[in-house]
Amino acid sequence: QLQLQESGPGLVKPSETLSLTCTVSGGSISSSTYYWGWIRQPPGKGLEWIGNIYYSGSTYYNPSLKSRVTISVDTSKNQFSLKLSSVTAADTAVYYCARHEDIAVAGYDAFDIWGQGTMVTVSS
Amino acid sequence: SSELTQDPAVSVALGQTVRITCQGDSLRSYYVSWYQQKPGQAPLLVIYGENNRPSGIPDRFSGSSSGNTASLTITGAQAEDEADYYCNSRDSSGNHLVFGGGTKLTVL
Repeated sequence: QLQLQESGPGLVKPSETLSLTCTVSGGSISSSTYYWGWIRQPPGKGLEWIGNIYYSGSTYYNPSLKSRVTISVDTSKNQFSLKLSSVTAADTAVYYCARHEDIAVAGYDAFDIWGQGTMVTVSS
Repeated sequence: SSELTQDPAVSVALGQTVRITCQGDSLRSYYVSWYQQKPGQAPLLVIYGENNRPSGIPDRFSGSSSGNTASLTITGAQAEDEADYYCNSRDSSGNHLVFGGGTKLTVL
């Protein structure tokens, strides 16, 4: 059964870069059927989509975060990663990675499998 | 602000039917997916596409759409259905994804 696991520092200083990795197990990240995404949730607030990546490296991002976000994929390690630069306290959140059935491939959008999430706090 | 609008809170009596709505202009063109999130847990996909349930999701959950409004209906709500529910779809450009603000469902 496919599983996703986020990893990375739980504490990041303001103005620095947040870096997280999602490791996919039980299946291949190189499947042509799926995209892979990052979503975050500030404490007590709702979900915010950050961006998606295809195994080929094709990406699309939330316009409100695009200037600070980079999502990359390493098919040899079955991982994809998130970098968010110039972080502030507003970036404090639980960060989730998820598998995405994309409208371009499936005809609809759906995040069907999620990681457990990892809490990242931005503080000096 | 989100391009998908949800009521912040809805309540339902145990065993009754409840509808949770999601409004947005993009919903005239794109399907919505629905997610259930319980405290301390990752979101769980409950409805996707036209009206599809992933394996393991009870058939009391169903989805529908009309015009700019999509709905998640729970027929015969159970205590374990108490959770936050989020809709997700494309934005008006069709190039990006967006979540609704979420609806907190209370089962009385």
